Parts: sequence; structure tokens; C-alpha cells
Amino acid sequence: DAKTTQPPSMDCAEGRAANLPCNHSTISGNEYVYWYRQIHSQGPQYIIHGLKNNETNEMASLIITEDRKSSTLILPHATLRDTAVYYCIVRVANNFNKFYFGSGTKLNVKP
Amino acid sequence: SAVISQKPSRDICQRGTSLTIQCQVDSQVTMMFWYRQQPGQSLTLIATANQGSEATYESGFVIDKFPISRPNLTFSTLTVSNMSPEDSSIYLCSAQDPGDTEAFFGQGTRLTVV
Repeated sequence: DAKTTQPPSMDCAEGRAANLPCNHSTISGNEYVYWYRQIHSQGPQYIIHGLKNNETNEMASLIITEDRKSSTLILPHATLRDTAVYYCIVRVANNFNKFYFGSGTKLNVKP
Repeated sequence: SAVISQKPSRDICQRGTSLTIQCQVDSQVTMMFWYRQQPGQSLTLIATANQGSEATYESGFVIDKFPISRPNLTFSTLTVSNMSPEDSSIYLCSAQDPGDTEAFFGQGTRLTVV
């Protein structure tokens, strides 16, 4: 049921910004964009979510295009510990809707 | 935020046997879910564990193979029945409340069937 498209892998140099794109062209008006990451052998970790405005927290920034058909997760200063699979998910927030994971992007942060 | 503990963290089982995985949440939650992650793959939702009623299974998953219990608002179990090597996966428990905007995940149970 995944409704997102992400590149399978990306590389980023340590200390540089990592920009991870996600396409969600069929997103509905009441669906949020969520980002999770999964570091090897761990459970998924919540990063950030947003509806239409750009969002920032201590981990990352989320930039959503005006038409909401795509978004970019930005890790401003990537470290080796940010190497993980990053999942972009769309769902309606604050109800019983489930999280369906797509294939994600494997981010490789290199020294 | 909810803290989720799963037991066992890993196991190696013989084909034809069954394994029950436990999921304990440190607070009462409305919704609990079970996922499967096959080697090198993304997470696939198996079912919603409903408190006080039968679990709701996603397409491709059946109760006879993956029976689920949810006796209260903090605990659930997933049984993988009559295992075959194809059941070798990581099984993850997740929890959320309608008031929460995010879901929380356990660290997973790594199952190997030989």
C-alpha cells in the first residue's frame, strides 16, 4: 500500500548535508509525510513529519513542495551514525491509520 | 513516547516447530501492530493486534500461520507456526495511540529457521 517513491541508495560525505528525496504524487489533502529511519539491526526510529509547511527538529528538516507531490528530508551535518535506511511514508495522522513502509533509501555516509 | 521490549531478541528454530514472540509496552496503548522484515527487504505489516477481539490480518497473512494475542493494553504475542526456512525474518512489534502522531517500534526478533 506504499504510495511513495524513493531512490534505492545515496552516498553522502561526513559533515555534509544529506538530502533525501521522496515522491508522493498521489498524496491526499489530509495525509501527512512521515520519515523514519532504520539503523542496521534496530527497529525503525521516527525522525519528523509534516503536512504542508516545512518542519525542523533536532534531527532533521523536512521540505515539502507547494503542490505536496514531493518532499526532501535534510540531515544538515551527516555523521557516520546516520548511515541507515530512510523511509518516507504518507498517512493520515492522529487516527488509527497504519504505517505502510515502502522500499526506502539506503544512505551511506562516508568519511 | 512508548518503550517497547520484545522477547526473544533472536532465536534459531527447527522447521515444523512454532515460536511465540512477546511484545511488552511500558504504557497502555490503543494500537499494537506486528511487522515482518525479510532479509534485505522493507517492513511488511502482518496484522493489527486488537485488545479483546481477534487480530486484523493484512492480505497474504492468515491467523493459522500467525496467531496473535492481545490480552491487555500493554502486551501482545505473535506466534509463527509450523515454521519453514522462508519464515526466517525479523519480526517487529509497533505501538501507537490515536493521540500520538508517530508509531513506536521494538528492536525486533531475529528468527532463523533451519
